[in-house]
Amino acid sequence: KAGVTQTPRYLIKTRGQQVTLSCSPISGHRSVSWYQQTPGQGLQFLFEYFSETQRNKGNFPGRFSGRQFSNSRSEMNVSTLELGDSALYLCASSLEFSGNTIYFGEGSWLTVV
Amino acid sequence: SQQGEEDPQALSIQEGENATMNCSYKTSINNLQWYRQNSGRGLVHLILIRSNEREKHSGRLRVTLDTSKKSSSLLITASRAADTASYFCATERANNLFFGTGTRLTVIP
Repeated sequence: KAGVTQTPRYLIKTRGQQVTLSCSPISGHRSVSWYQQTPGQGLQFLFEYFSETQRNKGNFPGRFSGRQFSNSRSEMNVSTLELGDSALYLCASSLEFSGNTIYFGEGSWLTVV
Repeated sequence: SQQGEEDPQALSIQEGENATMNCSYKTSINNLQWYRQNSGRGLVHLILIRSNEREKHSGRLRVTLDTSKKSSSLLITASRAADTASYFCATERANNLFFGTGTRLTVIP
């Protein structure tokens, strides 16, 4: 069974640009969540989707958005990139978020210059 | 803000020794999960322990949970150089995973 797949793995963007990251969950998983990892702030929750609905959102500005498609694949978008958005963005999937093992992808490394 | 904290922040041991990492959290939880992260990689799930469980084993791993003290521990027995990684605990609440600060484990061959 394939794991959680994230694309692209590495990307470099310029301040002010926008970026879209993609996540394909494990087959059959309907919950997809996103996290940002930085050396200073550690792992922080961005948002969680289930059946195309955002159920929870972390404390991030509105420049961070996401969506989930009917096949459970998810994308997150960051607009007007800032240097501080440089981070490892991790996607995770589970059958249903609560009470289940949550599996992570390898992440997308974003560098903003 | 993060839900929990791991202790110690860094741990260095010889191959074959046991490694113990502790995690404390702040509020009531449904379950607690432990993850491993090799440098620059994603998180690998190790163990999920539910709030009504006190101990769980998986191979060389043993996890305990004390909900009265709001703490958990991860024991890795007979450590190997390949166990070198960062270890995180994560608590689940309201469809959100709150991660600890992590313990950086170095196993010296």
